[in-house]
This record gives sequence, C-alpha cells and structure tokens, in this order.
Amino acid sequence: DTAVSQTPKYLVTQMGNDKSIKCEQNLGHDTMYWYKQDSKKFLKIMFSYNNKELIINETVPNRFSPKSPDKAHLNLHINSLELGDSAVYFCASSQDTMRGIYGYTFGSGTRLTVV
Amino acid sequence: RKEVEQDPGPFNVPEGATVAFNCTYSNSASQSFFWYRQDCRKEPKLLMSVYSSGNEDGRFTAQLNRASQYISLLIRDSKLSDSATYLCVVTPGGYSSASKIIFGSGTRLSIRP
Repeated sequence: DTAVSQTPKYLVTQMGNDKSIKCEQNLGHDTMYWYKQDSKKFLKIMFSYNNKELIINETVPNRFSPKSPDKAHLNLHINSLELGDSAVYFCASSQDTMRGIYGYTFGSGTRLTVV
Repeated sequence: RKEVEQDPGPFNVPEGATVAFNCTYSNSASQSFFWYRQDCRKEPKLLMSVYSSGNEDGRFTAQLNRASQYISLLIRDSKLSDSATYLCVVTPGGYSSASKIIFGSGTRLSIRP
C-alpha cells in the first residue's frame, strides 16, 4: 500500500564502501527525485528522472549514480562513501516534472551513517 | 543572505496556545510558496499552499507579505499532534523545475500538555 517506498530505512557503513538505496513508487507518477537532507535539515535536490530519463543533475559528486530501470523505480548507488555523505536521503515522486511541488510524495527516507 | 530563512526554534508552547512563525525569502521574483510539515524522523508532507490573499485551513492560516518578502504560518488552538518541524518552500513559479524549488531548514514546534 505504501506509495513511495525506499529501502533500506537505515544504513550504517564504513568509509570507502559502495552502497545502494532503492526506491519504488506505485502511484503511476512520471517523475522521481532524490533529495538529501543534511544535519542542518536543508533538503536539497540531487537528481530527477522523468520517464527513465535524467532531467536534473545538481552539483553532486560523480560517486553518486542514479539509475532508473523503469518509471516506477529510481535507485541511488554511492561509491567510495565518505563521512560527509552521512545524511537522510529521500526519494520522492510527482505526476510530472513541473507540477512537482503541488504533489510531491516523499518516501520515508534512508538514514545513511558513514563511520 | 540565504535564499530561504527560518527561525529554527524550538518554539515550545502549551496546548491550546496560538503560535506563529515566519519564513523570509531573498528572491523577489518568487511566485509560489508552501508550508510542509515534517515529523521527527519522517518524510516531509505538504501542509498547505500560501496564496497572495492569505488562506486558511482549519486551525492553520498562511499569509504572504510580498513587500517584506516573508510568509507566515499561524496555528490556533494548538494540539499535541501539531508538534513537528515546519518547512517553508519557495519556488519561482507554480510550474517550476525541481531544481528551483528551495526548502527552508524548518522551524521546530513543540506543544506541551
């Protein structure tokens, strides 16, 4: 029943490791996003995909690589994890690219801790 | 100056009180404004849009002051369940690319019995 589900909910890993976070939405939305919420609580857009096509790629290190196998899924792979990557990562979806803010549905977040 | 600024709080008020907090924005071209609510360790959820003429949704009233470039949220008769962080969101227009949507860092509200 969950509209936007992400896994895992918690992820604790050592520096230098590679990890993935998965996201799936069952709302039939065309657009999906990855947001990062840092310790100061700012939510910053990282990536956006529309129908499997990358449309937004903010200034994010290339250690972060999103992948969208279909419009219902958007995964985030992170290579060579660093301490500064510790944050909560939220997946979100919206009906389309331009009306997002009127109808964002966020996943419950993945709390990543790099030690 | 940050694009969107909020008093981080916490605002600690007794149940039944009225509480208000503001959010200032720096881009005078901003057109659309929203309040999101984020419970502790949960995802943000849209609370309400903010219209130019001000709008009300039950106990919640949102106002926009374009001249001074701030929006406000007023909560009347506060309930314990209102305890959360309230995020201000500013965009250049209603139909905007996500890269232009700016989230504030939030104001934490705690309602005590």
